[in-house]
Amino acid sequence: NAGVTQTPKFQVLKTGQSMTLQCAQDMNHNSMYWYRQDPGMGLRLIYYSASEGTTDKGEVPNGYNVSRLNKREFSLRLESAAPSQTSVYFCASSGGTADTQYFGPGTRLTVL
Amino acid sequence: GEDVEQSLFLSVREGDSSVINCTYTDSSSTYLYWYKQEPGAGLQLLTYIFSNMDMKQDQRLTVLLNKKDKHLSLRIADTQTGDSAIYFCAETLGGFKTIFGAGTRLFVKA
Repeated sequence: NAGVTQTPKFQVLKTGQSMTLQCAQDMNHNSMYWYRQDPGMGLRLIYYSASEGTTDKGEVPNGYNVSRLNKREFSLRLESAAPSQTSVYFCASSGGTADTQYFGPGTRLTVL
Repeated sequence: GEDVEQSLFLSVREGDSSVINCTYTDSSSTYLYWYKQEPGAGLQLLTYIFSNMDMKQDQRLTVLLNKKDKHLSLRIADTQTGDSAIYFCAETLGGFKTIFGAGTRLFVKA
């Protein structure tokens, strides 16, 4: 089992460019999440998908869109990147004991 | 409001015990968690405790939960240099909402 995988690992964008961050899990989990991690602020939830076919906003959804492509895959799209979106992005999934979440290795995004 | 608070740094000597503290605000939390993040990696679940428990022990890790004071602690016995990492406290309110603290960076001096 690979667990939760994310691509790319690193990305540099110019302001206004768009990109999609990919996430896949092979644990047959129903729920998937996108977080951003900024220094001194912990993790903040951007969007989540409780099950295939549903998506909901989290704490900081502005500037992002998501797609739950199938049970395995959950992508995050930045339509017009801004410097405030420079961050490390983590995908997670859950569906097992105690609602524990399993995290991918992260994507480090820099917007110039 | 919902908030999880942790101190930002802790420094211990190798072989000593480390105690990382956390306070949370929502008394209806179902589960409380400790995650570990090593440099350049994602968060890895260390342990969790159900809200109706007071203590949980797992090898070198001991979790204590004081529901009255909304206080959670993680004790690492015989701390090793490999324990150097950021430790996140988190609470889940049921459904799909998990609130994370800002993380405590543990430095272990040889």
